[in-house]
Amino acid sequence: DTEVTQTPKHLVMGMTNKKSLKCEQHMGHRAMYWYKQKAKKPPELMFVYSYEKLSINESVPSRFSPECPNSSLLNLHLHALQPEDSALYLCASSQDLGVRICEQFFGPGTRLTVL
Amino acid sequence: RKEVEQDPGPFNVPEGATVAFNCTYSNSASQSFFWYRQDCRKEPKLLMSVYSSGNEDGRFTAQLNRASQYISLLIRDSKLSDSATYLCVVPNYNQGGKLIFGQGTELSVKP
Repeated sequence: DTEVTQTPKHLVMGMTNKKSLKCEQHMGHRAMYWYKQKAKKPPELMFVYSYEKLSINESVPSRFSPECPNSSLLNLHLHALQPEDSALYLCASSQDLGVRICEQFFGPGTRLTVL
Repeated sequence: RKEVEQDPGPFNVPEGATVAFNCTYSNSASQSFFWYRQDCRKEPKLLMSVYSSGNEDGRFTAQLNRASQYISLLIRDSKLSDSATYLCVVPNYNQGGKLIFGQGTELSVKP
């Protein structure tokens, strides 16, 4: 089963709201990722978790807060977002971050609109 | 020089055509390479991994030229369903786990 699931599929929120994006994988992967993608651009890495520990934070503003409750779950908590944060948020997972970089498998994404 | 550069596209081809995309990378230490396909408003899906000189899967062939630091993707007998954006992806070993994406090449296959 090579599936990564994400909820919700769509989210509209105001600038004062607090919301969370959720991601789940059951492939036994030990690395999980959050990406942001704007239209007609490639995905931009936001965070990397390896064995449930944050290993990369790409200087993402603090209004985005990641959380990895266990090896299968990854959350992204959102607070006080700006309209320019509207984008497709993609979760991905890979086997691990070993010497040989493994393929990443993406979830369907959450399309976020900030009003 | 960008870390990963792709043909800008778009490529507009008739059904049945053969089309090739090129991708160059700057880090000569790179050992693995990926081609992803992304349909409009969908997530990237892994199309092919390349760890040695190349890989073939049906109508799709990826070739790696380490000396010139480029990877190509060849699609034979194009189908309408091949219309998508193709992303060349190269891992950055100095930043463990970080994939470097090309800007993507858009392919449109017409009847």
